[in-house]
Amino acid sequence: AQTVTQSQPEMSVQEAETVTLSCTYDTSESDYYLFWYKQPPSRQMILVIRQEAYKQQNATENRFSVNFQKAAKSFSLKISDSQLGDAAMYFCAYRRQNYGGSQGNLIFGKGTKLSVKP
Amino acid sequence: DGGITQSPKYLFRKEGQNVTLSCEQNLNHDAMYWYRQDPGQGLRLIYYSQIVNDFQKGDIAEGYSVSREKKESFPLTVTSAQKNPTAFYLCASSWGPGQRTEAFFGQGTRLTVV
Repeated sequence: AQTVTQSQPEMSVQEAETVTLSCTYDTSESDYYLFWYKQPPSRQMILVIRQEAYKQQNATENRFSVNFQKAAKSFSLKISDSQLGDAAMYFCAYRRQNYGGSQGNLIFGKGTKLSVKP
Repeated sequence: DGGITQSPKYLFRKEGQNVTLSCEQNLNHDAMYWYRQDPGQGLRLIYYSQIVNDFQKGDIAEGYSVSREKKESFPLTVTSAQKNPTAFYLCASSWGPGQRTEAFFGQGTRLTVV
């Protein structure tokens, strides 16, 4: 079974600085998707960024980028120029690519709580 | 606007009662999911459905039941057999296999046992 591990329960960053959140996963499959979701105090889950395992290029969305190391099964999220609105829980998630009739649900890590200091 | 609607936002349950959480989506997604969120536990899968009239148990299905009679709707019933139902419940939906893969979430229901 696939598992996702986030080893940092809490992180803190100064406004305008850069922070990196860690995520590792375990799978025997070669094709899959990885995601970072943000959950602000409103508790709405918001997709931050997505990475296809078959793509070597790291995904980027504005101030958010990932460092995807497939061999090491590592998928870290870098937030540049941190803003107060970035304060939230961040969840790393895994999804199989070709799930056919079996489950295609997301498997989540336990989350990292990010605080942003003004 | 397309999206997922969960209701109610807050729900209180007495001991021994069954309660039903509503989840409706107008995104034309095939798949729908129910997750439970507890502090420090991340999101754990309760039930999922890939198609109408079919659903499968997730990791923590005991004490819960679901139905999928319409593509748009996937209600979750928390039965009296669920010994510790106080939690935050999230419903999600996504496209089927081979399509865009991210899941979209509702705003959640906070269930409290009183």
